Amino acid sequence: EAQVTQNPRYLITVTGKKLTVTCSQNMNHEYMSWYRQDPGLGLRQIYYSMNVEVTDKGDVPEGYKVSRKEKRNFPLILESPSPNQTSLYFCASSLGGTGSNYGYTFGSGTRLTVV
Amino acid sequence: AQSVTQLDSHVSVSEGTPVLLRCNYSSSYSPSLFWYVQHPNKGLQLLLKYTSAATLVKGINGFEAEFKKSETSFHLTKPSAHMSDAAEYFCVVSDRMNSGYSTLTFGKGTMLLVSP
Repeated sequence: EAQVTQNPRYLITVTGKKLTVTCSQNMNHEYMSWYRQDPGLGLRQIYYSMNVEVTDKGDVPEGYKVSRKEKRNFPLILESPSPNQTSLYFCASSLGGTGSNYGYTFGSGTRLTVV
Repeated sequence: AQSVTQLDSHVSVSEGTPVLLRCNYSSSYSPSLFWYVQHPNKGLQLLLKYTSAATLVKGINGFEAEFKKSETSFHLTKPSAHMSDAAEYFCVVSDRMNSGYSTLTFGKGTMLLVSP
């Protein structure tokens, strides 16, 4: 089944303790992206990657890192989490390419709480 | 730069009555437009998309949307609401970056409430 898999689904952590949220897709998509969802703000893009070793900042990159060493994986790293990073996170992938009409496939989300 | 405005944060309807969720967009180029639905504690599911073909787009679960370039609108409709339609709906615009890849911009969402 074509899908984007995120882990973990739920995570509670303490301020300053490094964590990684994994994202993997099995569709050979070039484009991958991370979003955070907060009430009343919709989804905002954190980072995106157009292909292996090619990443760039989205709208809200502060406090996050990403890497794209393999095409299928796009982990989101919080080096020193803070309470304002408490949010619902979604990973998405797309064929990308030269058109803008490719649909995106979203993961099921990771609900992160930083205390 | 592209942007999306969903005009209502909440819409309440009775079961069996029509649904209208409003969305306006701005885009530098000819965009692609999407509607996604998110049920409680679930991920996002694509309802329908407009990609410069027919302006009236039919999606899953009886939803439709009409692209109106002159009004820069892409409103979502359904003739008769069902209880299972209660969810949050996101209007999304996809525009092409200089790299040739596209980026998504989400509206802030409209919560659809359906009463018996």
